[in-house]
Amino acid sequence: KAGVTQTPRYLIKTRGQQVTLSCSPISGHRSVSWYQQTPGQGLQFLFEYFSETQRNKGNFPGRFSGRQFSNSRSEMNVSTLELGDSALYLCASSTWDSSYEQYFGPGTRLTVT
Amino acid sequence: KQEVTQIPAALSVPEGENLVLNCSFTDSAIYNLQWFRQDPGKGLTSLLLIQSSQREQTSGRLNASLDKSSGRSTLYIAASQPGDSATYLCAVRVTQGGSEKLVFGKGMKLTVNP
Repeated sequence: KAGVTQTPRYLIKTRGQQVTLSCSPISGHRSVSWYQQTPGQGLQFLFEYFSETQRNKGNFPGRFSGRQFSNSRSEMNVSTLELGDSALYLCASSTWDSSYEQYFGPGTRLTVT
Repeated sequence: KQEVTQIPAALSVPEGENLVLNCSFTDSAIYNLQWFRQDPGKGLTSLLLIQSSQREQTSGRLNASLDKSSGRSTLYIAASQPGDSATYLCAVRVTQGGSEKLVFGKGMKLTVNP
């Protein structure tokens, strides 16, 4: 069974630009979550989608948004990039049941210059 | 607000030692606790998941326990190997601010020396 895939793996953007990251979950998984990982703050939850609806949300500004498609693939968008947005962005998928075991992808390394 | 702590932040041991990694959390109202490992520059690999109603889970050389009342979990690694070198993170699934989410510790960097 293929794991969670994320594209692109690396990205360099300039302040003020916007960026879209993509995540394909494990086959059969309908929940997708996004996390930001930085050396200072560690791993922080951004949002979770299930059945094309945002079900849970972390404490990030509105510049961070996401969506989920009918095939469970998800995209995350960051508008008006800031230097502090440089991070590893991780996507995780899970079944929407009582276990909520999360399976992570390899991440997208975003560098904002 | 739920906080997850992992102490120490780093550990270096010789190969073959049995290890205990600690994780503590401030609020016992958790749905589950999950242990992960992360290799440098990579994503997270799920090691073990313990539901709030369970006391422990085992997988190969790994054993994780959960004591909700004291807000603690331990990950036991038997007969450590150089390939176990990685950062180990624990996370609890909670409801916070009206949303369910995973709250992570900062991780413990393990180095197993041959």
